[in-house]
Amino acid sequence: AQSVTQLGSHVSVSEGALVLLRCNYSSSVPPYLFWYVQYPNQGLQLLLKYTTGATLVKGINGFEAEFKKSETSFHLTKPSAHMSDAAEYFCAVSVFETSGSRLTFGEGTQLTVNP
Amino acid sequence: EAGVAQSPRYKIIEKRQSVAFWCNPISGHATLYWYQQILGQGPKLLIQFQNNGVVDDSQLPKDRFSAERLKGVDSTLKIQPAKLEDSAVYLCASSSLAGGRNEQFFGPGTRLTVL
Repeated sequence: AQSVTQLGSHVSVSEGALVLLRCNYSSSVPPYLFWYVQYPNQGLQLLLKYTTGATLVKGINGFEAEFKKSETSFHLTKPSAHMSDAAEYFCAVSVFETSGSRLTFGEGTQLTVNP
Repeated sequence: EAGVAQSPRYKIIEKRQSVAFWCNPISGHATLYWYQQILGQGPKLLIQFQNNGVVDDSQLPKDRFSAERLKGVDSTLKIQPAKLEDSAVYLCASSSLAGGRNEQFFGPGTRLTVL
């Protein structure tokens, strides 16, 4: 079974500062890893995903994440925060099993961007 | 391309009443998922369909929850009877394939309040 731990349920940064949202995963097989963003009263939108290949993954809105197998981590970063980045962010892991693919989410990190 | 549609967006019911949610996935997507997202938590998979067959319903509380996907397109999720702890956002998602690497596209969700 797989699991995801997001460190810090709330993160607050100033506009223009570095954004770092932490995610660690547990999986018995090579995982697929995802970051989703959720704005108030909306569904989840995919920011980026890692499946295979290059470990540094670039996504939408200037976000990127690096898959580090040795640390079982997939932290999300953005060099300069925008007010519009304020939202809840979810890290998720998926493995393909005979019963299908289950996406397991972390508890989420609420990002606040201060002017 | 139209996204995943869900209705209603909001529903308030008394405990022990019944409620149903509807989902229309992205055209051509064979795989459909229902998630439950309790306030402050990440989404949790309830059931996964591949076309009109159930792939994974291991997390579905079958004593009160049921779901169907007739003709492999639209899906309904029903709760009967509802409990206070069923208050949550119910998210529907779809993907073109069941493989773990494939992106799931989420609808806006239905926010259920049980009084």
